[in-house]
Amino acid sequence: GQNIDQPTEMTATEGAIVQINCTYQTSGFNGLFWYQQHAGEAPTFLSYNVLDGLEEKGRFSSFLSRSKGYSYLLLKELQMKDSASYLCAALDSNYQLIWGAGTKLIIKP
Amino acid sequence: DAMVIQNPRYQVTQFGKPVTLSCSQTLNHNVMYWYQQKSSQAPKLLFHYYDKDFNNEADTPDNFQSRRPNTSFCFLDIRSPGLGDAAMYLCATSFGGGSTDTQYFGPGTRLTVL
Repeated sequence: GQNIDQPTEMTATEGAIVQINCTYQTSGFNGLFWYQQHAGEAPTFLSYNVLDGLEEKGRFSSFLSRSKGYSYLLLKELQMKDSASYLCAALDSNYQLIWGAGTKLIIKP
Repeated sequence: DAMVIQNPRYQVTQFGKPVTLSCSQTLNHNVMYWYQQKSSQAPKLLFHYYDKDFNNEADTPDNFQSRRPNTSFCFLDIRSPGLGDAAMYLCATSFGGGSTDTQYFGPGTRLTVL
């Protein structure tokens, strides 16, 4: 079956760095997305990786290893507004998005 | 600004009373999606349309139906809402280009069933 695993919840301190891991098993693979979702709001697109390596976008970076079925989202210089859920989603061979349940990130002052 | 719009943002209905949720987009995207998301869970795909081609997910209950009368609009009909249908309903769109097909979400409609 198809599956996405990511931690349920993480806590970090304002100004610090946090890494949210995601592992995936899909029928075929056409890329890995990260979305941010604040409580009660819709997901917003953060990043897309299809090739191995690190993609940097300001304070946020996303890494992919296709051979390991693994990705992470790295958030630097954490701000209180970064408190949200972070959803990992993999695009399978039918271009269907397989979603993880999200990692709730709590930022403490 | 190009966007995905959902109305209403909050919908309250009674058990068994039909309800329709609407979504419109100004992105000129080919694909439109309806998701159901319950608290702390992954979004669950209910339907998607590639242009007017309708795709029903295998485990979407018959209680849910959808219409896409034109490129810009899509509707989700819940024929007889039950308490278990209380959730956030998310509409998303994508261009439909395959491997780089990012989905963009509307703000969602939070459905309460009394």
